Amino acid sequence: LAKTTQPISMDSYEGQEVNITCSHNNIATNDYITWYQQFPSQGPRFIIQGYKTKVTNEVASLFIPADRKSSTLSLPRVSLSDTAVYYCLVGDLHSGGYQKVTFGIGTKLQVIP
Amino acid sequence: EPEVTQTPSHQVTQMGQEVILRCVPISNHLYFYWYRQILGQKVEFLVSFYNNEISEKSEIFDDQFSVERPDGSNFTLKIRSTKLEDSAMYFCASSEALAVSYEQYFGPGTRLTVT
Repeated sequence: LAKTTQPISMDSYEGQEVNITCSHNNIATNDYITWYQQFPSQGPRFIIQGYKTKVTNEVASLFIPADRKSSTLSLPRVSLSDTAVYYCLVGDLHSGGYQKVTFGIGTKLQVIP
Repeated sequence: EPEVTQTPSHQVTQMGQEVILRCVPISNHLYFYWYRQILGQKVEFLVSFYNNEISEKSEIFDDQFSVERPDGSNFTLKIRSTKLEDSAMYFCASSEALAVSYEQYFGPGTRLTVT
């Protein structure tokens, strides 16, 4: 898996848009970018996955520039319940069917009232 | 929405005892996983399981660990002789067959405390 670098922590006020950037300079041609969220004392939860440009779902948007050496997870108008650790991971979706998820330290987002 | 369930939510055991952690994956999923998270540390992959056999295991998953799918719904992790350092949250996860995605569905976890 390509090495990823993301901030260890971030603070944001309620109602603001939060952007968490992940660097992955050594991303390979076949690698996808995936983000997970983990609330305290809960299991991780898949948020979004993308290969290039922009992906949006009901939870977040994922922006990937043309060189794919970084990506930005965007959370619109965060609330206190968005306080969690956010993990960026990059890896090849091989054809074996299963995909081992390798988590890093993640970014601890604290939303402030 | 279907979800992965795990029992018990908290297990306390004495060092050297055997424990079995249970999981019920999402019913139409065919890939199953165990991860663990020691307090304050990263989530670590332990093992993946498909078609009644282990697909991949990490260095953590030594001879003290085993997994089993005893029936059509349960997926278990057994630790034969627990050590203090096995104290952690254990998460079960499952994913769809042939899904080209890193989307896995995690359960709420079992907190294992070894005393």
